[in-house]
Parts: sequence; structure tokens; C-alpha cells
Amino acid sequence: RKEVEQDPGPFNVPEGATVAFNCTYSNSASQSFFWYRQDCRKEPKLLMSVYSSGNEDGRFTAQLNRASQYISLLIRDSKLSDSATYLCVVPSSDGGSQGNLIFGKGTKLSVKP
Amino acid sequence: DTGVSQNPRHKITKRGQNVTFRCDPISEHNRLYWYRQTLGQGPEFLTYFQNEAQLEKSRLLSDRFSAERPKGSFSTLEIQRTEQGDSAMYLCASSRQGDGSPLHFGNGTRLTVT
Repeated sequence: RKEVEQDPGPFNVPEGATVAFNCTYSNSASQSFFWYRQDCRKEPKLLMSVYSSGNEDGRFTAQLNRASQYISLLIRDSKLSDSATYLCVVPSSDGGSQGNLIFGKGTKLSVKP
Repeated sequence: DTGVSQNPRHKITKRGQNVTFRCDPISEHNRLYWYRQTLGQGPEFLTYFQNEAQLEKSRLLSDRFSAERPKGSFSTLEIQRTEQGDSAMYLCASSRQGDGSPLHFGNGTRLTVT
């Protein structure tokens, strides 16, 4: 299994829809995970941190499934402004210094009127 | 502005030239990371520092790449003898110490090698 893997999409959804992305990871010892949002030609920005079982922030819910080694991001009531690429971030499993964070390739979301 | 600052924003250079980028992290952050990103890909880890110590470097990173953080504050990333394949966005990020700490990114330096 790759260290981190995401469905690249694109996910094309209408406004108001609910959409979910999954991200699988290989490092079973990982304790903390993150979802980042990246707009075109901009730097990634932190969307949510994911600890223990999950986290919720308004329309966004992140869940962690340790048994199956995946995290998910759920966006409810999609807005046009949610259109972006969503990046999953997990600690590296290569036995390094434990500070190395690995990014997935990202899932592209396009919300249409 | 107390965010992560990177300079320059853009750099165009000819193949074979050396380039150096600078990153100033958030002042209270002791971890500093360098990533590289190409179109359609997620950020690729290059190296990271905890204070002035370079704790990890990607095995895929060419010897032409070197990074320093001499006083544990700002960092520089140098690419020697640039190649066209080095063209990418170079992102710097910083975080507090601790594996649960998220990264805060700068705006990046876009390198074009002609």
C-alpha cells in the first residue's frame, strides 16, 4: 500500500450537494492526520486536523477509521467557494524522525451552480 | 504579517545556473519544512529542520539540492546546476514541535528553468 493515496477526482457536484473523499494510509502507527485545501496556484491551507476518531467544523466532518486505515472528509451543503483541491496529509512510515509529513496527490472538487 | 514568508516569489533561470531561495518561518515555530510541487501533484517532501538540525532529507533528493538553517530561524534552499526538471513550486512550511502540529505554508517560490 502506498503511504497515502487519494482518489484524484475530479468530483463535479451541484451546489448544496454532500460530497465525501477518502484517503488511505499505510503507517498504522500514525496518530495525527490533516486535511488541507489548495486553490489553483496558491499554497495549501489547513482545513482540519484529525485526531482520535474524527473532527467536525461547520459543514465539514473528518473521520478516522484506524482498522481500515483511512480518513474521510465530508462536505455538506456544498458552496461554489468549496471548489478546490483537497489534500490528505499523514506522517511518513519510512522509519525516519517522525516529523516527516506526506501529502496525497489531492482530490479535485468542482461545485457547479 | 506573522506568517511564513518566502523569497523570491518567482525565479527564472537558465539551465546550469545555481539558485537560492529563502524562507522565514513563523517566529515561535521550531520546525521548518521544504516541499516541492508540480502541476497536478501534491507537495513532495524534500527536507525538514528542527531548530538548526536537519533531521530528515528525502532519499529521492538529488545531491544538487542543499538546505541550511544556520541559526534555527530562516532557512535557505540551494539548487546547483539547475535542470529543466527542477521547474516547480518550492514551498516552505513551519510548525511547532510535536507530531500533532499542522504545517503553515508560505506563498512558495515558483522556479522556471529554461
